[in-house]
Parts: sequence; structure tokens; C-alpha cells
Amino acid sequence: DVKVTQSSRYLVKRTGEKVFLECVQDMDHENMFWYRQDPGLGLRLIYFSYDVKMKEKGDIPEGYSVSREKKERFSLILESASTNQTSMYLCASNRDPPGNEQYFGPGTRLTVT
Amino acid sequence: GEDVEQSLFLSVREGDSSVINCTYTDSSSTYLYWYKQEPGAGLQLLTYIFSNMDMKQDQRLTVLLNKKDKHLSLRIADTQTGDSAIYFCAESVFSGGYNKLIFGAGTRLAVHP
Repeated sequence: DVKVTQSSRYLVKRTGEKVFLECVQDMDHENMFWYRQDPGLGLRLIYFSYDVKMKEKGDIPEGYSVSREKKERFSLILESASTNQTSMYLCASNRDPPGNEQYFGPGTRLTVT
Repeated sequence: GEDVEQSLFLSVREGDSSVINCTYTDSSSTYLYWYKQEPGAGLQLLTYIFSNMDMKQDQRLTVLLNKKDKHLSLRIADTQTGDSAIYFCAESVFSGGYNKLIFGAGTRLAVHP
């Protein structure tokens, strides 16, 4: 079974803090994705990576950065958290091509106060 | 541009059939997916259909694809309380040099006795 894990289920941070969200997959997938989910807006792609050290901006990359130093791990970084980044963050991975079925982690609910 | 639209809510009685509808815009989509999200969890793939198919049946689930109208539907027969969840439609598109998934906003299905 494919397993995608995220480092935290719930996180509360203060405005201006640097926040790291970690995602690990165990199926040797080439592609990894970070989404945020907000009510009525569905899933919006923040960044994705198709290989180690490679990254591509998604639809809403502003205020975020990512890191992929190892194939199994994809980190989302909020350099200076703001209240409008309060959201559910979902990580996903899949094998090539990137349009294939994606496997999702359980999500991290981040609250920025 | 790419867009996937779904109605936000559906309420059905236990034992009845549920039909969740979705429209998409990219006629070159190769795969279309239905994902289920239970409360507090990530997304789980329910089923998918290849763009050259009109229908796919998998136990209680029936997917219908009308390529001419760019309309996708998911029918759940004999709906149970355990089917209460958010259902996301997604299309696989080629955009910006990459394949990616475009998600709808999700339909919240409520099953009542």
C-alpha cells in the first residue's frame, strides 16, 4: 500500500513565524505535490516537484517555498506565516506521468494566529 | 482556462441513489477521477475513467462520461451513512509544460435516515 505521511495533523503558529510542513512517501514516486484546501475552493496547487531538487510553481505559490533534497521527502515552507495562510495543507505523490492518480497524505490543519 | 465545477451540497436518504455531477473545460483530458474525503482525512481515490470510455461500473459506483458536453457524473447506488463525505472530481490536463490534476471544489454528500 502506498503511504504518504505528513509530520503534523494540527499546527498552531504565530504571525511571522517560519513554518515547515514535511511530507514523506514510501513508494519511490517521482512526483510530489503540495495543495491547500479551503471550503468552497477545493484543492489549489501550491508547488510540485517532479524530481529531486526540482520544483515548479503551481497556481498559488506566493508566500511559500519548497525543498526536495531526497526523493521521498517534500517540504513546504512558510517563510513568514500570515493569518491568510490558515488552511488545510495536503501533500500528494504519484509516479510518472504527473497526470496519474495521486495518493494523498492525511493533511495538516495549520492555524496562524 | 482550466476549470472543474461541482455543486457544493447534496442531501439524500439512506438507501436511495446519489448522483454527483461535474463539468470540466479541457477537452484534452486523458483521465477523470473521483476522490472521496472523509472528515479529518486526506483524499482517497474512489474510481477513475479514461477519456475514451462512456461508462465505468465498480460495485455500487457508476461513472458516466459525456465528452461532448464535458460532463462527468458519479452515481452511488444504495447510499449508506458511511458514504457521507466530500466528493471531488478531477481532470488530468497538460498545462505549462506539465501534466497535472485540476480539482473541483468538492460536493458535500449528506446521507440522512
